[in-house]
Amino acid sequence: AQSVSQHNHHVILSEAASLELGCNYSYGGTVNLFWYVQYPGQHLQLLLKYFSGDPLVKGIKGFEAEFIKSKFSFNLRKPSVQWSDTAEYFCAVTLYNNNDMRFGAGTRLTVKP
Amino acid sequence: NAGVTQTPKFQVLKTGQSMTLQCAQDMNHNSMYWYRQDPGMGLRLIYYSASEGTTDKGEVPNGYNVSRLNKREFSLRLESAAPSQTSVYFCASSDSGGRYGYTFGSGTRLTVV
Repeated sequence: AQSVSQHNHHVILSEAASLELGCNYSYGGTVNLFWYVQYPGQHLQLLLKYFSGDPLVKGIKGFEAEFIKSKFSFNLRKPSVQWSDTAEYFCAVTLYNNNDMRFGAGTRLTVKP
Repeated sequence: NAGVTQTPKFQVLKTGQSMTLQCAQDMNHNSMYWYRQDPGMGLRLIYYSASEGTTDKGEVPNGYNVSRLNKREFSLRLESAAPSQTSVYFCASSDSGGRYGYTFGSGTRLTVV
Protein backbone atom coordinates (compact mmCIF):
# COMPACT_ATOMS: atom_id res chain seq x y z
CA ALA A 1 0.00 0.00 0.00
CA GLN A 2 1.13 3.53 -0.71
CA SER A 3 2.33 5.19 2.48
CA VAL A 4 4.58 7.68 4.22
CA SER A 5 6.87 6.32 6.93
CA GLN A 6 8.59 8.24 9.65
CA HIS A 7 11.09 6.04 11.41
CA ASN A 8 11.33 7.74 14.77
CA HIS A 9 8.32 8.20 17.00
CA HIS A 10 10.07 10.22 19.70
CA VAL A 11 13.50 11.83 19.59
CA ILE A 12 15.12 13.45 22.61
CA LEU A 13 18.10 15.75 22.11
CA SER A 14 20.07 18.30 24.09
CA GLU A 15 20.33 21.87 22.85
CA ALA A 16 22.98 22.37 20.14
CA ALA A 17 22.80 18.71 19.06
CA SER A 18 22.29 17.95 15.38
CA LEU A 19 18.96 16.61 14.17
CA GLU A 20 17.98 14.25 11.40
CA LEU A 21 14.45 12.90 11.09
CA GLY A 22 13.80 10.19 8.56
CA CYS A 23 10.96 10.07 6.05
CA ASN A 24 10.34 7.49 3.33
CA TYR A 25 7.43 7.23 0.94
CA SER A 26 6.23 4.45 -1.29
CA TYR A 27 4.45 6.36 -4.06
CA GLY A 28 5.66 6.00 -7.63
CA GLY A 29 5.74 8.82 -10.12
CA THR A 30 6.39 12.50 -9.56
CA VAL A 31 5.77 13.63 -6.00
CA ASN A 32 5.69 16.85 -4.02
CA LEU A 33 7.22 16.55 -0.56
CA PHE A 34 6.65 18.57 2.58
CA TRP A 35 7.65 18.85 6.20
CA TYR A 36 5.25 20.42 8.66
CA VAL A 37 5.78 21.34 12.30
CA GLN A 38 3.14 21.37 15.03
CA TYR A 39 4.04 23.19 18.23
CA PRO A 40 2.14 22.07 21.34
CA GLY A 41 -1.51 23.05 21.12
CA GLN A 42 -1.14 24.65 17.71
CA HIS A 43 -1.99 23.87 14.11
CA LEU A 44 0.42 22.56 11.50
CA GLN A 45 2.78 25.03 9.88
CA LEU A 46 4.77 24.47 6.71
CA LEU A 47 8.53 24.15 7.33
CA LEU A 48 9.68 23.46 3.78
CA LYS A 49 8.65 21.86 0.52
CA TYR A 50 10.16 20.23 -2.52
CA PHE A 51 8.58 19.83 -5.94
CA SER A 52 11.47 20.12 -8.42
CA GLY A 53 15.02 21.37 -8.92
CA ASP A 54 17.75 21.31 -6.29
CA PRO A 55 17.12 18.27 -4.08
CA LEU A 56 18.51 20.12 -1.05
CA VAL A 57 15.75 22.38 0.19
CA LYS A 58 16.11 25.06 2.84
CA GLY A 59 13.16 26.07 4.98
CA ILE A 60 12.36 28.32 7.87
CA LYS A 61 14.09 28.35 11.27
CA GLY A 62 17.31 26.80 9.93
CA PHE A 63 15.76 23.52 8.79
CA GLU A 64 16.68 21.79 5.56
CA ALA A 65 15.73 18.55 3.85
CA GLU A 66 17.27 16.42 1.13
CA PHE A 67 15.26 14.56 -1.49
CA ILE A 68 16.95 11.33 -2.57
CA LYS A 69 14.83 9.92 -5.35
CA SER A 70 16.59 6.56 -5.51
CA LYS A 71 15.89 5.97 -1.82
CA PHE A 72 12.36 7.45 -1.84
CA SER A 73 13.49 9.58 1.09
CA PHE A 74 13.09 13.16 2.25
CA ASN A 75 14.95 13.49 5.54
CA LEU A 76 14.76 16.63 7.67
CA ARG A 77 17.92 18.09 9.21
CA LYS A 78 19.04 20.90 11.44
CA PRO A 79 22.68 21.40 12.48
CA SER A 80 21.96 22.72 15.97
CA VAL A 81 18.57 22.41 17.68
CA GLN A 82 17.12 24.82 20.21
CA TRP A 83 14.69 24.27 23.07
CA SER A 84 12.07 26.12 21.00
CA ASP A 85 12.24 23.37 18.36
CA THR A 86 10.35 21.06 20.71
CA ALA A 87 7.34 20.05 18.61
CA GLU A 88 5.92 17.29 16.47
CA TYR A 89 7.17 17.00 12.90
CA PHE A 90 5.20 15.53 10.03
CA CYS A 91 6.40 14.46 6.63
CA ALA A 92 3.80 14.62 3.83
CA VAL A 93 3.53 13.67 0.19
CA THR A 94 1.24 14.56 -2.67
CA LEU A 95 1.36 13.12 -6.13
CA TYR A 96 2.00 15.82 -8.70
CA ASN A 97 -1.06 18.06 -8.99
CA ASN A 98 -3.07 15.74 -6.78
CA ASN A 99 -5.32 17.07 -4.05
CA ASP A 100 -4.68 14.17 -1.71
CA MET A 101 -1.86 14.88 0.76
CA ARG A 102 -0.78 11.89 2.82
CA PHE A 103 0.99 12.31 6.13
CA GLY A 104 3.39 10.21 8.12
CA ALA A 105 2.56 9.34 11.71
CA GLY A 106 4.77 12.14 13.01
CA THR A 107 7.94 12.36 15.09
CA ARG A 108 7.85 14.05 18.46
CA LEU A 109 11.01 16.02 19.15
CA THR A 110 11.92 16.99 22.70
CA VAL A 111 14.89 19.32 23.14
CA LYS A 112 16.31 19.52 26.64
CA PRO A 113 17.69 22.91 27.68
CA ASN B 1 -5.36 37.80 10.00
CA ALA B 2 -5.74 35.93 6.74
CA GLY B 3 -6.00 32.18 6.99
CA VAL B 4 -8.30 29.30 7.84
CA THR B 5 -10.87 29.71 10.61
CA GLN B 6 -12.52 26.74 12.31
CA THR B 7 -15.39 26.67 14.76
CA PRO B 8 -15.91 25.47 17.40
CA LYS B 9 -12.51 24.92 19.05
CA PHE B 10 -13.82 22.35 21.52
CA GLN B 11 -16.93 20.17 21.60
CA VAL B 12 -18.25 17.31 23.68
CA LEU B 13 -20.99 15.16 22.18
CA LYS B 14 -22.98 12.22 23.42
CA THR B 15 -23.04 9.08 21.29
CA GLY B 16 -25.68 9.45 18.59
CA GLN B 17 -25.76 13.25 18.57
CA SER B 18 -25.06 15.19 15.41
CA MET B 19 -23.00 18.29 14.79
CA THR B 20 -21.41 20.35 12.06
CA LEU B 21 -17.85 21.65 12.11
CA GLN B 22 -17.45 24.90 10.24
CA CYS B 23 -14.44 26.04 8.23
CA ALA B 24 -13.84 29.22 6.26
CA GLN B 25 -10.79 30.54 4.38
CA ASP B 26 -10.11 34.02 3.06
CA MET B 27 -7.15 33.29 0.78
CA ASN B 28 -9.23 32.67 -2.35
CA HIS B 29 -8.03 29.07 -2.43
CA ASN B 30 -9.84 26.65 -4.71
CA SER B 31 -9.26 23.49 -2.67
CA MET B 32 -10.29 22.66 0.89
CA TYR B 33 -9.79 19.61 3.07
CA TRP B 34 -10.86 17.97 6.31
CA TYR B 35 -8.38 15.84 8.27
CA ARG B 36 -8.54 14.05 11.58
CA GLN B 37 -5.50 13.70 13.80
CA ASP B 38 -5.14 10.77 16.16
CA PRO B 39 -2.12 9.91 18.36
CA GLY B 40 0.45 7.81 16.53
CA MET B 41 -1.45 7.96 13.26
CA GLY B 42 -0.65 11.40 11.91
CA LEU B 43 -3.31 13.16 9.88
CA ARG B 44 -5.77 11.23 7.79
CA LEU B 45 -7.84 12.80 5.04
CA ILE B 46 -11.60 12.54 5.54
CA TYR B 47 -12.96 14.49 2.57
CA TYR B 48 -11.72 17.15 0.23
CA SER B 49 -13.13 19.62 -2.24
CA ALA B 50 -10.88 20.31 -5.21
CA SER B 51 -13.03 23.23 -6.30
CA GLU B 52 -16.37 24.87 -5.52
CA GLY B 53 -19.17 22.44 -6.26
CA THR B 54 -17.11 19.25 -5.98
CA THR B 55 -16.34 16.95 -3.07
CA ASP B 56 -14.48 13.65 -2.89
CA LYS B 57 -13.81 10.99 -0.30
CA GLY B 58 -10.43 10.69 1.30
CA GLU B 59 -8.88 7.93 3.32
CA VAL B 60 -11.44 7.72 6.18
CA PRO B 61 -14.83 9.09 5.03
CA ASN B 62 -17.18 6.71 6.84
CA GLY B 63 -19.47 8.42 9.33
CA TYR B 64 -18.96 11.90 7.85
CA ASN B 65 -20.56 14.16 5.26
CA VAL B 66 -19.33 17.44 3.83
CA SER B 67 -20.73 20.49 2.09
CA ARG B 68 -18.80 23.01 0.02
CA LEU B 69 -21.15 25.89 0.62
CA ASN B 70 -19.22 28.36 -1.54
CA LYS B 71 -15.59 29.03 -2.38
CA ARG B 72 -14.83 30.17 1.18
CA GLU B 73 -16.66 27.61 3.30
CA PHE B 74 -16.37 23.84 3.72
CA SER B 75 -18.30 22.13 6.52
CA LEU B 76 -17.98 18.66 8.02
CA ARG B 77 -21.01 16.93 9.51
CA LEU B 78 -21.23 14.01 11.90
CA GLU B 79 -24.76 12.63 11.59
CA SER B 80 -24.58 10.18 14.50
CA ALA B 81 -21.43 10.61 16.55
CA ALA B 82 -19.55 7.57 17.83
CA PRO B 83 -16.71 7.34 20.39
CA SER B 84 -14.37 6.31 17.54
CA GLN B 85 -14.81 9.81 16.15
CA THR B 86 -13.14 11.37 19.18
CA SER B 87 -10.26 13.21 17.57
CA VAL B 88 -8.81 16.56 16.64
CA TYR B 89 -10.19 17.80 13.33
CA PHE B 90 -8.25 20.13 11.07
CA CYS B 91 -9.51 22.02 8.07
CA ALA B 92 -7.01 23.13 5.42
CA SER B 93 -7.00 24.95 2.11
CA SER B 94 -4.66 25.26 -0.84
CA ASP B 95 -4.23 26.52 -4.34
CA SER B 96 -5.34 24.02 -6.96
CA GLY B 97 -3.36 20.82 -6.68
CA GLY B 98 -1.86 21.68 -3.31
CA ARG B 99 1.51 21.98 -4.96
CA TYR B 100 2.71 24.69 -2.62
CA GLY B 101 1.46 23.15 0.58
CA TYR B 102 -1.66 23.54 2.66
CA THR B 103 -2.70 26.21 5.16
CA PHE B 104 -4.26 24.69 8.25
CA GLY B 105 -6.83 25.95 10.71
CA SER B 106 -6.28 25.79 14.46
CA GLY B 107 -8.33 22.62 14.91
CA THR B 108 -11.45 21.38 16.68
CA ARG B 109 -11.01 18.99 19.60
CA LEU B 110 -14.03 16.70 19.62
CA THR B 111 -14.85 14.23 22.37
CA VAL B 112 -17.70 11.74 21.96
CA VAL B 113 -18.82 10.11 25.21
